[in-house]
Amino acid sequence: KAGVTQTPRYLIKTRGQQVTLSCSPISGHRSVSWYQQTPGQGLQFLFEYFSETQRNKGNFPGRFSGRQFSNSRSEMNVSTLELGDSALYLCASSLAGTRNEQFFGPGTRLTVL
Amino acid sequence: AQKITQTQPGMFVQEKEAVTLDCTYDTSDPSYGLFWYKQPSSGEMIFLIYQGSYDQQNATEGRYSLNFQKARKSANLVISASQLGDSAMYFCAMREGRWITGGFKTIFGAGTRLFVKA
Repeated sequence: KAGVTQTPRYLIKTRGQQVTLSCSPISGHRSVSWYQQTPGQGLQFLFEYFSETQRNKGNFPGRFSGRQFSNSRSEMNVSTLELGDSALYLCASSLAGTRNEQFFGPGTRLTVL
Repeated sequence: AQKITQTQPGMFVQEKEAVTLDCTYDTSDPSYGLFWYKQPSSGEMIFLIYQGSYDQQNATEGRYSLNFQKARKSANLVISASQLGDSAMYFCAMREGRWITGGFKTIFGAGTRLFVKA
């Protein structure tokens, strides 16, 4: 069974631009979560989607948004990029249910210049 | 507020020996899950082990075991017979919430970097 895939793997943008990251979950997984990882703040929860609905959101500004499609694929968008948005963005998928064991993708490394 | 604390920024262990990575948590929710993940230098997070708050027994997965002490709110990871490939960053994580009522939110500790010496 294929794992979680994220595209692109690496991205370089300049301040003020916007970016869209994509995540394809493991087949059959309907829950997708996004995380931001930086050396200073560690791993921080961005949002969780299930059945095209955002069920939870972390403490990030409105410039960070996401969505989930009917095939469970998810996209994350960051508008008006700032230098501090440089990070590894990780997507994780899980089966719906109590345990919610998450399987992570390889991440997208975003660099903002 | 929910919180995960990993007090060991770095740990060294001799190959083939056992090592314990500490994790304490704080939550007021009686229903929660605790996870350990491994992150090698490649960056990908690898799931290691899970413990539910209502589980009576400590979880084990191969060389990994979780020492769950609910009253002390600790969930330490024990790696037996360390291997060179175990050198990585290890994260403790806690999931709060209920699937039916609103989904989950997972928070991670700061991590412990493990170095396995030959």
